[in-house]
Amino acid sequence: DTAVSQTPKYLVTQMGNDKSIKCEQNLGHDTMYWYKQDSKKFLKIMFSYNNKELIINETVPNRFSPKSPDKAHLNLHINSLELGDSAVYFCASSLRGGYTFGSGTRLTVV
Amino acid sequence: GQQLNQSPQSMFIQEGEDVSMNCTSSSIFNTWLWYKQDPGEGPVLLIALYKAGELTSNGRLTAQFGITRKDSFLNISASIPSDVGIYFCAGLIQGAQKLVFGQGTRLTINP
Repeated sequence: DTAVSQTPKYLVTQMGNDKSIKCEQNLGHDTMYWYKQDSKKFLKIMFSYNNKELIINETVPNRFSPKSPDKAHLNLHINSLELGDSAVYFCASSLRGGYTFGSGTRLTVV
Repeated sequence: GQQLNQSPQSMFIQEGEDVSMNCTSSSIFNTWLWYKQDPGEGPVLLIALYKAGELTSNGRLTAQFGITRKDSFLNISASIPSDVGIYFCAGLIQGAQKLVFGQGTRLTINP
């Protein structure tokens, strides 16, 4: 049973397109996150949702819009994709400090 | 913002050697976590530390939460080929619900 699953695993798209990444967790956690890992492997938080409510937005461009339809899902929609958006995006969830990560979505913008 | 300085950035060792890496911060953290990331996968939790001074083991791995709450180390004893990967420290500030990561230590093992 996959605890935190994200789709797709790979996404190649052209500049200017709009794309979405989906995330689901079956752990019963109440907080979900999106992290971005750059080419140097640095992991940085983008967003955090607790019980469907946005609690952290780390100065991410407003082309990025997270949506949490329920506690178990946190999707990430990106408008007008730019070359610099190419990275690996990780979804994660937590309950009282225990974080579990998905296996990542590698986004390549060409 | 909070930053974690992790060192070394990379290590090249022989199989069977012991490994040590550490993280320091100018900020105080309430929780320290150590993760390992394999290629094409997400970070997987190795050890979680919740109290200053705490020393915790997980098989060949041992980690400690520094007394000042501003540092932590991870030791791996008798390394084996499957230990290859990138190791990250991460700190959590109580109430912030935000995990801050170190830059990672890339471990390479020569058989």
